[in-house]
Amino acid sequence: DIQMTQSPASLSASLEEIVTITCQASQDIGNYLSWYQQKLGKSPQLLIHSATSLADGVPSRFSGSRSGTQYSLKINRLQVEDTGIYYCLQHYSAPWTFGGGTKLELK
Amino acid sequence: QVQLKESGPGLVQPSQTLSLTCTVAGFSLTSYNVHWVRQPPGKGLEWMGVIWNTGGTRYNSALKSRLSISKDTSKSQVFLKMNSLQTEDTATYYCARDPPLGPDYWGQGVMVTVSS
Repeated sequence: DIQMTQSPASLSASLEEIVTITCQASQDIGNYLSWYQQKLGKSPQLLIHSATSLADGVPSRFSGSRSGTQYSLKINRLQVEDTGIYYCLQHYSAPWTFGGGTKLELK
Repeated sequence: QVQLKESGPGLVQPSQTLSLTCTVAGFSLTSYNVHWVRQPPGKGLEWMGVIWNTGGTRYNSALKSRLSISKDTSKSQVFLKMNSLQTEDTATYYCARDPPLGPDYWGQGVMVTVSS
């Protein structure tokens, strides 16, 4: 199975700060990587698909990038509504695997 | 408007079988794949399996012997059946649509507790 190592596990940042979350894949997954935001008691919401493509309706302060087998989610100018838990997902091969999650809080 | 909604029993006894239904609207099951993902309380997300638009299926090997996913395209419903439930199967169960670019729309989830 492909392992997705997500870091950090938790993060506290200030308003307007730039935040970066990363996922390291255990093998090549191409661009078959999505990012999700989950708020407490809610289902995950798609932010980024195909590693770098912004999902419909997602604010442009969110962006995704790839360097080899390392994938990053960047949030420019952090807003209050950006708090929650973020997950990466590889859908290159079954079983699809999620990263362990990053809990983002406001400082 | 794309919608997915999970339904099923909130409580299942140990060793019994879980049956969940995902009812979709706004898209056809002949055009999109549907996945099942679960999340134990306070924990991360676990992919369970998928039913392709063609009707084929793929399961998480950890669950494969207990899990079955099927669909009724005419009723816009996807079904999950998992047998031999244990307390560690207590979780919120989600269905999600896959374009396929990774799941885009998710249902609200259904909480299932395994307890006697």
